[in-house]
Amino acid sequence: GAGVSQSPSNKVTEKGKDVELRCDPISGHTALYWYRQSLGQGLEFLIYFQGNSAPDKSGLPSDRFSAERTGGSVSTLTIQRTQQEDSAVYLCASSPGISGNTIYFGEGSWLTVV
Amino acid sequence: GEDVEQSLFLSVREGDSSVINCTYTDSSSTYLYWYKQEPGAGLQLLTYIFSNMDMKQDQRLTVLLNKKDKHLSLRIADTQTGDSAIYFCAERTPGSSNTGKLIFGQGTTLQVKP
Repeated sequence: GAGVSQSPSNKVTEKGKDVELRCDPISGHTALYWYRQSLGQGLEFLIYFQGNSAPDKSGLPSDRFSAERTGGSVSTLTIQRTQQEDSAVYLCASSPGISGNTIYFGEGSWLTVV
Repeated sequence: GEDVEQSLFLSVREGDSSVINCTYTDSSSTYLYWYKQEPGAGLQLLTYIFSNMDMKQDQRLTVLLNKKDKHLSLRIADTQTGDSAIYFCAERTPGSSNTGKLIFGQGTTLQVKP
């Protein structure tokens, strides 16, 4: 498709399980971002990838969170040993690059930890 | 530090103009953005403005930027019921590592009454 694609759109998991969330950025976009949206915290920056540069992981809330981007395209956000406070919408965005002005978001992955 | 503030709620009548305000703290902001979020959906990029501009108009949308006061506004002319949504202001700053990440406000819920 033409936009940022995320999967799964909804995920319910049991506390303590690991989850993987996937993001397909817009074709040709070199920058990719992960954000988390929850009721109490608003929109939080998690991690940013730009081309072959080292990712900016400054927003990851704990070492249970990690992300990778393979081949400069698809990204996977992994949450290990999920906790109830991880319940949120995880939003992915992409942009043409460090000088790209437009940043487009996907529809999000709704994660519920029970 | 980086901080973006918005009022939480705005109610207008259909056909009136809506003005959503935003203040930010980082004077090194490069671009400022407005996003719209409808229930259950991701963030839709509405418009953005470069920090050396004062105004940008795009159909019914007018963005005003007062860089001296670090104040940004979004005016929606002839507001329609379909404009009812949450509107997020965001600043993009170079940051310490030139990440270009977005810092979001809490969002303003716009209610349009018929």
